[in-house]
Amino acid sequence: KQEVTQIPAALSVPEGENLVLNCSFTDSAIYNLQWFRQDPGKGLTSLLLIQSSQREQTSGRLNASLDKSSGRSTLYIAASQPGDSATYLCAVNTGNQFYFGTGTSLTVIP
Amino acid sequence: DAGITQSPRHKVTETGTPVTLRCHQTENHRYMYWYRQDPGHGLRLIHYSYGVKDTDKGEVSDGYSVSRSKTEDFLLTLESATSSQTSVYFCAIEEANTGELFFGEGSRLTVL
Repeated sequence: KQEVTQIPAALSVPEGENLVLNCSFTDSAIYNLQWFRQDPGKGLTSLLLIQSSQREQTSGRLNASLDKSSGRSTLYIAASQPGDSATYLCAVNTGNQFYFGTGTSLTVIP
Repeated sequence: DAGITQSPRHKVTETGTPVTLRCHQTENHRYMYWYRQDPGHGLRLIHYSYGVKDTDKGEVSDGYSVSRSKTEDFLLTLESATSSQTSVYFCAIEEANTGELFFGEGSRLTVL
């Protein structure tokens, strides 16, 4: 069974800092990997989708990378802002099922 | 915005009562999912559907049933609610071409 891990569970950084969030998975046979943002009391908002044949995807200040062989994905946030404070989750799609990490709670301090 | 609407958004009910949550989508997606999200457990799949009248169980399906009589609506029913079903319930759709998942805003259910 695929297992998805996100470490650390919580992260606090000063505004303006560049940061990296990590997502690891145990089985490299994936269809795609997706990063989400979740604000308190809200649903999950899709940030970036990386197909298994891709190495990275970029959207604005966000860049996600995928290394299937090592079972790792990273979400890079450049020049962090207080509005980036949220929980970030990654999800692995095996083609049959989605497996979710438990998220990293990010706080950006003004 | 994938055009997903969940209702009700908030509900408080008593143990033993039936509850139905509705997920409505406007973009004709074939695959729809119901998840629950709980602290310490993350997102767990309850049931999913791959078309009208085609549904299957997820990892935490006990105590839940679903129906999909129209493409746009996926209903989650708790036949007799228990306190352990207090949770936030999320509906999701999968975009067929890319496999991208989109979520609704969630339905917060409290069972007293």
